Amino acid sequence: EVQLVESGGGLVQPGGSLRLSCAASGLTVSSSYMSWVRQAPGNGLEWVSVIYSGGTTYYADSVKGRFTISRDNSKNTLYLQMHSLRAEDTAVYYCARDVGCTSSTCRNNWFDPWGQGTLVSVSS
Amino acid sequence: QSVLTQPPSVSGAPGQRVTISCTGSSSNIGAGYDVHWYQQLPGTAPKLLIYGNINRPSGVPDRFSGSKSGTSASLAISGLQAEDEADYYCQSYDSSLSAWVFGGGTKLTVL
Repeated sequence: EVQLVESGGGLVQPGGSLRLSCAASGLTVSSSYMSWVRQAPGNGLEWVSVIYSGGTTYYADSVKGRFTISRDNSKNTLYLQMHSLRAEDTAVYYCARDVGCTSSTCRNNWFDPWGQGTLVSVSS
Repeated sequence: QSVLTQPPSVSGAPGQRVTISCTGSSSNIGAGYDVHWYQQLPGTAPKLLIYGNINRPSGVPDRFSGSKSGTSASLAISGLQAEDEADYYCQSYDSSLSAWVFGGGTKLTVL
């Protein structure tokens, strides 16, 4: 059974930094396509970033230049490094596996499974 | 404002059938990208409900079905049960944004 467990969330001041982790079991992060998706309190879902098995990364415009997705193959763990945090980054952050990607593209993919999420609060 | 438009809420009595629409544009659903659906029970993470427009993962009851036509997609739930009360989200890819996009979510209330 695939299981994803996020950690690292918390309260941080505007302009601060935080690193989220997503420990995976039942799948190999290095050979998987993995995404971060966030949900602001009371709001809908927003895709944040993806890392392909080959290492290619993409970001939503709202976080480009501030967030970095990465992985540690030895720990089978996905990360999201967040800098210059803003109040509007306050959300529950979920990691999820991208399913349905081909060897060359990831456009018709879906997210399954999802972790339980970790809450990031940006406030002074 | 979400790229994919869903009704904020729908409701139905136990046993009834409800549908949830997901309207996009020529840069996402209308461009031929697949639509996927998720169910989010209160206080929990989203769970995959329908993938590739019409396919159900194992374990999802056949009361749930998906369809797609033109720039829109729909999720139908028949034989409504109390445990179906949740938020439902559609998801696709948008080529103009170069991003995966979600609908704003629809809250289903079972009366």
